[in-house]
Amino acid sequence: EIVMTQSPATLSVSPGERATLSCRASQSVSSNLAWYHQKPGQAPRLLIYGASTRATGVPARFSGSGSGTEFTLTISSLQSEDFAVYYCQQYNHWPGTFGQGTKVEIK
Amino acid sequence: VQLVESGGGLVQPGRSLRLSCAASGFTFADYAMHWVRQAPGKGLEWVSGISWNSGSIGYADSVKGRFTISRDNAKNSLYLQMNSLRAEDTAFYYCAKDPSPYQLLYFDYWGQGTLVTVSS
Repeated sequence: EIVMTQSPATLSVSPGERATLSCRASQSVSSNLAWYHQKPGQAPRLLIYGASTRATGVPARFSGSGSGTEFTLTISSLQSEDFAVYYCQQYNHWPGTFGQGTKVEIK
Repeated sequence: VQLVESGGGLVQPGRSLRLSCAASGFTFADYAMHWVRQAPGKGLEWVSGISWNSGSIGYADSVKGRFTISRDNAKNSLYLQMNSLRAEDTAFYYCAKDPSPYQLLYFDYWGQGTLVTVSS
């Protein structure tokens, strides 16, 4: 099973600042990597798939990059609605596995 | 797209429970579907997936042999039969849509979840 490791566990950012989240796979997952965010009491929402393609309706301030084992999600200018937990997920190898999450909190 | 789960609740260890997911807003029969769970305060775990025509089904090792996924395309519904429940199955169970008829194993829409609590 592929192990996904996210860092940092918690990221404190001020509104309007840039946030950079990392995700590492224990072996190559090519570009088969998705990012989700989850607000308290809500279901996860797909943000990025294919490592860098924004899902329908996702604002352009969200961007994904990377391939192989190293991936990054960047939020260019944090808005109040962006404070949430972010998960990466690989779907190159069965079963699709998630990282443990990065909590983005208000500084 | 709307996915609405039901059937969760409190159940004793060793007992059974059946979850349902009612889908609307898209052609249900054209897409693979999944169940993903999340223990309270914890991360996400894929549980099971089923292709558009039920021809391909997969389970996480943690539930294999105890859980059964099925779908009824005529009723736009997804199901999860959970038997021999354990305390570690306690979680929110989300119904999730795959963007493909087959199991690409990522999820473009999610329901709001239903809570299953296994406790005596």
